[in-house]
Amino acid sequence: GQNIDQPTEMTATEGAIVQINCTYQTSGFNGLFWYQQHAGEAPTFLSYNVLDGLEEKGRFSSFLSRSKGYSYLLLKELQMKDSASYLCVQWGRGGGNKLTFGTGTQLKVEL
Amino acid sequence: NAGVTQTPKFQVLKTGQSMTLQCAQDMNHEYMSWYRQDPGMGLRLIHYSVGAGITDQGEVPNGYNVSRSTTEDFPLRLLSAAPSQTSVYFCASSPGTSNEQYFGPGTRLTVT
Repeated sequence: GQNIDQPTEMTATEGAIVQINCTYQTSGFNGLFWYQQHAGEAPTFLSYNVLDGLEEKGRFSSFLSRSKGYSYLLLKELQMKDSASYLCVQWGRGGGNKLTFGTGTQLKVEL
Repeated sequence: NAGVTQTPKFQVLKTGQSMTLQCAQDMNHEYMSWYRQDPGMGLRLIHYSVGAGITDQGEVPNGYNVSRSTTEDFPLRLLSAAPSQTSVYFCASSPGTSNEQYFGPGTRLTVT
């Protein structure tokens, strides 16, 4: 949705590492969130970046480059339960005080 | 804490009917919002509120009304349901926009 670009689908193997990229419009930016959404369930918070660099939280890390309008979510030691949609979410796009959601990347983890 | 609760979980309406989707949170969060999620579209903001007595429009507000008389409750009213409003509706709350959003379980609405 709305100029937040992320791949539609990705497939990876259990135990591997996968990187999900996201690009967004740089006009108006307060922060970048990543959410996980399993099929039929509500989104759940994974990470929040407001400054450039890498934020690490267990198996999940998120990176931000504000000048490039670029973020990625890195998932290590993939597990079958990581099969889900991953949503890139921009706060403050266009100078507003709202969240703009990407359409999500559907990740499938295979044996 | 129950977190964010939504009722009903499922609803089928006929075109032209009205109804209210309920949302409540017990975390004393100031910020509440309503989203709809459609295949291939991502979550889109319908209305939001930054505190009791204050509401504002999101991206897709037409056909929906909201009110925020208390901190806890943020109901979404469909004035005259249309098939285009068939969707999954999520309510969310947070202490502020820069914080983690807590989502309710969703309401799956079908309008025939």
